[in-house]
Amino acid sequence: GAGVSQTPSNKVTEKGKYVELRCDPISGHTALYWYRQSLGQGPEFLIYFQGTGAADDSGLPNDRFFAVRPEGSVSTLKIQRTERGDSAVYLCASSLGRGENTEAFFGQGTRLTVV
Amino acid sequence: KQEVTQIPAALSVPEGENLVLNCSFTDSAIYNLQWFRQDPGKGLTSLLLIQSSQREQTSGRLNASLDKSSGRSTLYIAASQPGDSATYLCAVRPMDSSYKLIFGSGTRLLVRP
Repeated sequence: GAGVSQTPSNKVTEKGKYVELRCDPISGHTALYWYRQSLGQGPEFLIYFQGTGAADDSGLPNDRFFAVRPEGSVSTLKIQRTERGDSAVYLCASSLGRGENTEAFFGQGTRLTVV
Repeated sequence: KQEVTQIPAALSVPEGENLVLNCSFTDSAIYNLQWFRQDPGKGLTSLLLIQSSQREQTSGRLNASLDKSSGRSTLYIAASQPGDSATYLCAVRPMDSSYKLIFGSGTRLLVRP
């Protein structure tokens, strides 16, 4: 597609439920990132994929969070036993590579609300 | 640990004014710096990317400068318009983890008609 696509755009779930957030990166981009943005703050890094593997998952807040990218394209962020504190906008970005010329392109985000 | 600060947190100006948004970072070892625009409830739109070897980039009414040694970047918006109202975020790509962007908290800009 022309840009990074995220679905759903909004998700409301009850505390304790399981949710999946999907990201479809720009075609040909090997790098994919997930960020989380709380109200009034800048995005914070969660996880980075280079191809199919998670090269860095140091930003995931705890073991309730998990992400996959099985074919090196679409990625899914999975949150188990959701808590109200998980409410935020989850942003996905993709880029061609790394280094000085790397420009990241972001999707529209998924607004997750845990009630 | 790299930290990015944006001042001011919010800014309100009348239409037509030229304005400057500031971004500072604590570690000068970066690959690049990127300015983004975020409209309410939306994702991030990339405005300008400045590589570490560059001092400025221009796109239309926008001009971004980078002074890596002092850890500063500015985004200059000429002849502001109400349509420029949004939150502006800067982010650096550190050399010690070149895949990861470190963001500031943003400057919320309102351009009054």
